[in-house]
Amino acid sequence: QVQLVQSGAEVKKPGASVKVSCKASGYTFTSYGISWVRQAPGQGLEWMGWISAYNGNTNYAQKLQGRVTMTTDTSTSTAYMELRSLRSDDTAVYYCARDLSMIVVVITTKGDAFDIWGQGTMVTVSS
Amino acid sequence: DIQMTQSPSSLSASVGDRVTITCRASQGISNYLAWYQQKPGKVPKLLIYAASTLQSGVPSRFSGSGSGTDFTLTISSLQPEDVATYYCQKYNSAWDLTFGGGTKVEIK
Repeated sequence: QVQLVQSGAEVKKPGASVKVSCKASGYTFTSYGISWVRQAPGQGLEWMGWISAYNGNTNYAQKLQGRVTMTTDTSTSTAYMELRSLRSDDTAVYYCARDLSMIVVVITTKGDAFDIWGQGTMVTVSS
Repeated sequence: DIQMTQSPSSLSASVGDRVTITCRASQGISNYLAWYQQKPGKVPKLLIYAASTLQSGVPSRFSGSGSGTDFTLTISSLQPEDVATYYCQKYNSAWDLTFGGGTKVEIK
C-alpha cells in the first residue's frame, strides 16, 4: 500500500541541526511532490516547504528560508528535511506529506492538497 | 501573504446535528482549498480538495463549498467518530500553502 514512513524521535540542543527522513513505498516516488508540515504541541499545522521528487526543485516557507533544506534520494525513494540552528520553538511533530496529484507540469505556480501523510517525527529542542 | 481564518475555533454539537465550519481567505484563491480532519493524537486526513471534491473513502456526510474567499465544510449529521480538529488549507500558490487555525469539534 502507499505509505510514507518517517525516522524516529529526536532530541536536540539549541543551535544544533536535525535531519528527518521520509521513506516512500507503494508508488512511483519521482511522480509526486512531497511537502513537510510541522505541528507544535497543542498548536495548528504549519507548512514548511515542498520538494519535487522528479527534479529536486524546492519551495520553502519564507519564515524558514535559510534554515531549512529539503532533499530527496531517488535511489531509495526517501525525502529528507534538515533544519538548522534549532530553537526551543522548533519543538514539534514533523510530518512529510505527498501531493494528491502526479507531477504533470515540471514548473508550476500552484501547490496541491496532501493525500498521504507520514506518521510524524517528534523533534524536541531542549538544553 | 494570504491569511486563512477559520470560525468558530471550537464548537460543541449533538449527535445528528448539522455542523458548519467556515474558512475565509484574505484574498481570492479560486477553488484551491482543502479540508483536513485530525483526530486526537493522529495524523491529518484529507477530506475535501478543490473546495468541494470529496476524497475517496470519505463519508458522504462531509461536504465542502465555496470559491474565491469564503468556504464552508459541512457535516450533515454529526457522528461520535467525527470528534476532531478540522483545518482548511489554501494551495493556490506553490510558495505559500497556509493552513487555517483549526476548528475543534466536540460532542455535546
